[in-house]
Amino acid sequence: DTEVTQTPKHLVMGMTNKKSLKCEQHMGHRAMYWYKQKAKKPPELMFVYSYEKLSINESVPSRFSPECPNSSLLNLHLHALQPEDSALYLCASSLGQNQPQHFGDGTRLSIL
Amino acid sequence: GQQLNQSPQSMFIQEGEDVSMNCTSSSIFNTWLWYKQDPGEGPVLLIALYKAGELTSNGRLTAQFGITRKDSFLNISASIPSDVGIYFCAGPALSGTYKYIFGTGTRLKVLA
Repeated sequence: DTEVTQTPKHLVMGMTNKKSLKCEQHMGHRAMYWYKQKAKKPPELMFVYSYEKLSINESVPSRFSPECPNSSLLNLHLHALQPEDSALYLCASSLGQNQPQHFGDGTRLSIL
Repeated sequence: GQQLNQSPQSMFIQEGEDVSMNCTSSSIFNTWLWYKQDPGEGPVLLIALYKAGELTSNGRLTAQFGITRKDSFLNISASIPSDVGIYFCAGPALSGTYKYIFGTGTRLKVLA
């Protein structure tokens, strides 16, 4: 069982919908991450939060909006997504810089 | 930019055989991580390496941090069917960073 919990496991949404992905960890990690992964490809970094502040935004389109309400929670708000945004969205956390990242099982997102 | 190339891209092996795979970079890394990803799940951390020349084992898995600091190797001894999956190496993009770069992946298939 992973110590990083992501909900929902699967999400199907239309291009005009608004939805949110949620991630939670209780390992005391101070860095949290969002990755996007396409089939048979490595994870691609989207956002990093460090001590609840946005530290890295890898030029992600504004239709993806991250939020870190507290050190244990990370959300990804979705609005007006495109079909090419269909992918596995992975959340991860780490103790700090240069520390191994621990991943959740992801949310499989399909855009109709 | 930095890239991590993994070899082989995929491999079929017989159950009971030993497996070797590697990860190479054009630049120096000070940390190497090895992950395994099963279908429909997030990557799971297998081994973390922090020092050139370091050799670390985790059960039937052994990983080495290359002396040049530009490569790393993962060996699996006496493979079993549950070793099937994609193996990713990863390393920090820069020292003192939260950003990790993932390798292209090695897909392992075990024939019973």
